[in-house]
Amino acid sequence: AQSVAQPEDQVNVAEGNPLTVKCTYSVSGNPYLFWYVQYPNRGLQFLLKYITGDNLVKGSYGFEAEFNKSQTSFHLKKPSALVSDSALYFCAVRVYGGATNKLIFGTGTLLAVQP
Amino acid sequence: DSGVTQTPKHLITATGQRVTLRCSPRSGDLSVYWYQQSLDQGLQFLIQYYNGEERAKGNILERFSAQQFPDLHSELNLSSLELGDSALYFCASSARGGPPDTQYFGPGTRLTVL
Repeated sequence: AQSVAQPEDQVNVAEGNPLTVKCTYSVSGNPYLFWYVQYPNRGLQFLLKYITGDNLVKGSYGFEAEFNKSQTSFHLKKPSALVSDSALYFCAVRVYGGATNKLIFGTGTLLAVQP
Repeated sequence: DSGVTQTPKHLITATGQRVTLRCSPRSGDLSVYWYQQSLDQGLQFLIQYYNGEERAKGNILERFSAQQFPDLHSELNLSSLELGDSALYFCASSARGGPPDTQYFGPGTRLTVL
């Protein structure tokens, strides 16, 4: 079965420090991986995706993610955290097979950036 | 702002009732997706439409149904509502409905069943 795991319910980091939000996946075939962010009482905002090519993907708001096929991971990173980055982050994988594009989401990681 | 609109923002209703949630995709997008977000189940895919036709089904209850109209807007109908149906319902849209499309999400409709 295809799945996504976010092993940390919450990540705490001080403003200005680097941050990492972890994601591992299990899929058949080549994975299409996504990161979304959800601010309180808002919808999900797309941050970045990995389809193929360079293992380091750059996205919105200074975020990037590193695809590691051998470790089946797609961790989200940012060199210097901002208080405004505090939000709920979701990793997702596209379900493989057929013409569908449906996503399976992880359980989410709450990022708390302290000033 | 993703360009996906959902109405209403909030909906409060009673058990046994029926409600309709509406979604307008981004301009030019042909595919619409519905997701449910709840505390116990997380974010779950319900159903996908592409250009008016159902393309994929997820964990959608038989009491729930959806359709996509010729103008590409979509409606999710929830009937015989139960307390457990209280959740945030998201609509997303993408250009073609297949990989490697990016799905853009609307702000959601918060449904409370009392």
